[in-house]
Parts: sequence; C-alpha cells; structure tokens
Amino acid sequence: GENVEQHPSTLSVQEGDSAVIKCTYSDSASNYFPWYKQELGKGPQLIIDIRSNVGEKKDQRIAVTLNKTAKHFSLHITETQPEDSAVYFCAASNGGKTSYDKVIFGPGTSLSVIP
Amino acid sequence: DAGVTQSPTHLIKTRGQQVTLRCSPKSGHDTVSWYQQALGQGPQFIFQYYEEEERQRGNFPDRFSGHQFPNYSSELNVNALLLGDSALYLCASSLSGGQRYGYTFGSGTRLTVV
Repeated sequence: GENVEQHPSTLSVQEGDSAVIKCTYSDSASNYFPWYKQELGKGPQLIIDIRSNVGEKKDQRIAVTLNKTAKHFSLHITETQPEDSAVYFCAASNGGKTSYDKVIFGPGTSLSVIP
Repeated sequence: DAGVTQSPTHLIKTRGQQVTLRCSPKSGHDTVSWYQQALGQGPQFIFQYYEEEERQRGNFPDRFSGHQFPNYSSELNVNALLLGDSALYLCASSLSGGQRYGYTFGSGTRLTVV
C-alpha cells in the first residue's frame, strides 16, 4: 500500500541555521506533495506544496524539492527562527485524477530551533 | 471566515462505548476527510466524504463509520471503543477537484478511552 517515510524524526538547529527534512514515497502515481506544520495543541497547517510537474518551489525562507525518479522530496528552511519550532509532516497524494483523493502523511519531524 | 470547527475538543469514554465526533468544514469547502493521530505519530487516513458519500477509505475497521450532511458538515462514529482508539481525531476540509488547494485542518478532538 501507499507509504511515506520521513527523516529525521527529531532535528535541533541553532537559530539562523538551515534545516532539511527528507521524505520518500512508495506510490508512483503520487503527483501532489504538501508539507504541514503542526504546533502544540493545533491541527496541521499547510505551509507549502509542490506538484509532480515542478522540481522545486520556494516561498520566502521555505523551499521544497522533488525528485520523481527517485521518489524523494525535501523541505528546506533557511535562517531558522524560534517560531519555526514545531512538528513538520510531509505527505503525498495522487489527487487531481478524480474529485476526491486521500493524502498519506509521513511520521513527522520534530524541529527545535535553539535561540 | 471561520476555519474548520470540531466538537467536542476533549472526550473521555469507557471501553466498549460508542462515540460521535463532529466537524464543520471551512466555508466554501465541500469535501471532508477524517484522520486519526496517535501521540507522536503522523495522521492516519480514516475516510473521506464528498457529496454525502464515502469516497475513499483507509485501513480502519467497520467500527469506524461516518456521515456527511447536505450542508457539508460531517460526523465520525466509532463503535465498541478499544483502548487503542485513544488518539487525536482530525477533520480536514477541502474543495473538490482533487488536491488543488490543500487541506484545512481543525484543531481536533482528543479522545481518551479508559
């Protein structure tokens, strides 16, 4: 069945440094890859996404890359700030082919930014 | 503009009981997906409702059932509760047409089974 793996499970960086989270997926039909940030006591919040026809996407300090051949995708956060501390989830979906789909999440990465 | 609203926020039930969780989607959204998130883990897909029908289902037993109403709100029902059902239950709404716009999640219902 579909599976999304995510590494590392925990990540600690100094404020101002970069953080990188890597994911792999198993379903070759996947064509949409969102990233979510979950703060304590809240639901996940979409922070950036990328589609299979794009290799890289950037939004201010956040960038995502996708390698469809290797079934790898990554999240890069530059100039980290304490408010970036949260749990980050990668996810994969084969959405777009029908009006409905399911999104499969990775196990999460707990990011701590040390001031 | 209200986001996704879930109720109740916390719930304690006894093993063997039944529970109903409720979700109101974000204004303009017509699709509701339910997820179970155990402590320290990623959300696990339970099922998705669109046009008042279950369209997709994850690897969950029939004890988990749902419903979507004409106003797009949704309920998740769990029968014969087990201790292992203790988790955060998340509702996510989206706009039909596939994952063009992403999910909007609610803050979840924390279910504890004792």
